[in-house]
Amino acid sequence: GAVVSQHPSRVICKSGTSVKIECRSLDFQATTMFWYRQFPKQSLMLMATSNEGSKATYEQGVEKDKFLINHASLTLSTLTVTSAHPEDSSFYICSASGAGPNSYEQYFGPGTRLTVT
Amino acid sequence: EDQVTQSPEALRLQEGESSSLNCSYTVSGLRGLFWYRQDPGKGPEFLFTLYSAGEEKEKERLKATLTKKESFLHITAPKPEDSATYLCAVRDSGNTPLVFGKGTRLSVIA
Repeated sequence: GAVVSQHPSRVICKSGTSVKIECRSLDFQATTMFWYRQFPKQSLMLMATSNEGSKATYEQGVEKDKFLINHASLTLSTLTVTSAHPEDSSFYICSASGAGPNSYEQYFGPGTRLTVT
Repeated sequence: EDQVTQSPEALRLQEGESSSLNCSYTVSGLRGLFWYRQDPGKGPEFLFTLYSAGEEKEKERLKATLTKKESFLHITAPKPEDSATYLCAVRDSGNTPLVFGKGTRLSVIA
């Protein structure tokens, strides 16, 4: 149980275009979803936290107009990188936690490798 | 402020050479300490959750223990496929984000 999927796994886009990444909880209802980015050989950097039906809470230094997060249902959250630039190239990972006795546990998706050319 | 420190940063073991990874933490009220394994280019894979001092959990060659200040991930007779980065994280209330350590990169040599 507790499976989280991401799509796409890899994406290459041109500078100035927008890219949408989907994160789905497949076998549980995710009341909260988190988005991270990770640079090579570094740990996870939290970008934002979203609760279903509410606006996302962004970490300091993360531009909310550039990284649009939508958590419209209990199984789906999306991250849209708008007007992407080469410095946005990174590994983006989502995670989800649900309700109930295991609500403190957080399960991660497989990640999306974004390359902006 | 919650803090998590993992040591060592990197560890190289011979196959079969048991060892332990350390995770020291400071948190206002622990709601869970989590261990994950991350392979290159993949998302973290959940291993264990520990909730209270004295708790232990095992999975194959891995055993996680918890005290009031730290957690250990013991690896018994490791194999090359255990090579990965092991991440420790803590949570101090319901749905707040996990606070991660920087990880320990484990290499097991055949």
